[in-house]
Amino acid sequence: KQEVTQIPAALSVPEGENLVLNCSFTDSAIYNLQWFRQDPGKGLTSLLLIQSSQREQTSGRLNASLDKSSGRSTLYIAASQPGDSATYLCAPFGNEKLTFGTGTRLTIIP
Amino acid sequence: EPEVTQTPSHQVTQMGQEVILRCVPISNHLYFYWYRQILGQKVEFLVSFYNNEISEKSEIFDDQFSVERPDGSNFTLKIRSTKLEDSAMYFCASSVQWGVSEQYFGPGTRLTVT
Repeated sequence: KQEVTQIPAALSVPEGENLVLNCSFTDSAIYNLQWFRQDPGKGLTSLLLIQSSQREQTSGRLNASLDKSSGRSTLYIAASQPGDSATYLCAPFGNEKLTFGTGTRLTIIP
Repeated sequence: EPEVTQTPSHQVTQMGQEVILRCVPISNHLYFYWYRQILGQKVEFLVSFYNNEISEKSEIFDDQFSVERPDGSNFTLKIRSTKLEDSAMYFCASSVQWGVSEQYFGPGTRLTVT
């Protein structure tokens, strides 16, 4: 059974800093991994999809890496802004479903 | 930009009542999913649906739950006899292909069972 852990659970950084969010998963038999953001009381917004054959994927200020064999993914956010404040979720896709971690709650301090 | 829509945004029901949550997936998507998130907990998979059949379901998705694609656009989740523990945010998602494309999520339906 896939288990997904995200560290840290919460993170506060000053505006403008670069930061890294970590995700680890126990079952490496995945097809891809998605990163989402979730604003309080809202739905999930897909940020990046990284295929199992890829090592990295970039979208704007976001860069995700994937090391499938070691069961790790990171999300790098460059030049953080107050609008980046949200909970970030990683979710590997395997066995026909996404399995979610508990997320990292990110606060960017203006 | 196409998006997944869900109705209602909030549903309050009494224990034992039936509820139907509705979703309109993105029009060219073929794979449909329901997930739920109990307040303060992880998002959990309920069921996946393709070609008018359930592809996969979790242990949460017992006989009280059913899904249907009644027409070419809607995808519904029915809970036959709601329990207090069914209170959660229910998310519908869809994707173009299985395993290689993003799942896009709707804004959710908050179900409150009293």
